[in-house]
Amino acid sequence: EIVLTQSPGTLSLSPGERATLSCRASQSVSSSYLAWYQQKAGQAPRLLIYGASSRATGVPDRFSGSGSGTDFTLTITRLEPEDFAVYYCQQYGNFIFTFGPGTKVDIK
Amino acid sequence: QLQLQESGPGLVLPSETLSLTCTVSDDSITSDNYYWAWIRQPPGKGLEWIGSLNYGGATYYNPSLNSRVIMSLDASKNQFSLRLTSMTAADTAVHYCARYRWNDDAFDIWGRGTMVTVSS
Repeated sequence: EIVLTQSPGTLSLSPGERATLSCRASQSVSSSYLAWYQQKAGQAPRLLIYGASSRATGVPDRFSGSGSGTDFTLTITRLEPEDFAVYYCQQYGNFIFTFGPGTKVDIK
Repeated sequence: QLQLQESGPGLVLPSETLSLTCTVSDDSITSDNYYWAWIRQPPGKGLEWIGSLNYGGATYYNPSLNSRVIMSLDASKNQFSLRLTSMTAADTAVHYCARYRWNDDAFDIWGRGTMVTVSS
């Protein structure tokens, strides 16, 4: 089973700043099967990025994903007030889905 | 837009079986393009995939829960279901149903979630 590790656990930033979130896999992940989700308090997760770098419908272009193999990154170029949330990466392989533990982006 | 709605008991006794149902708002449950999944989230913790199934009958379960999970699909009702046996306090969580879209290879639609508490 592939284990995903996210860092940092918490990222404290101000609106307008750039956020860089890391997701590392215990073994190589197909880029096709790496996704990112945003979850706000009391809400279900929302798909942001699929295929490591493709934005889901309606996702602003300040969100971007990159990476391959075992190292993937979610970047938010300029944080808006609504972007403060928890972000999860997720992978699929060998008929098993796993999520990372999440990175909380909070207001500094 | 497609909506998913979870339903089931909010409280389950220890050692008993949890039964949850997810109602899909259209007949896409019969499409080969999707898998249907259950995902849970204990209070204050991260997301855990429970299992997935499709209309064709393929099912995949989290190995850590495999012996306790059964998922099924009823296309006539546009529903799919989860049964999780031998419930303990560690199973207390918000349970989400979600759609996995093969074209995007991601969970693109989620229900709002239903809280299940295991307690006597």
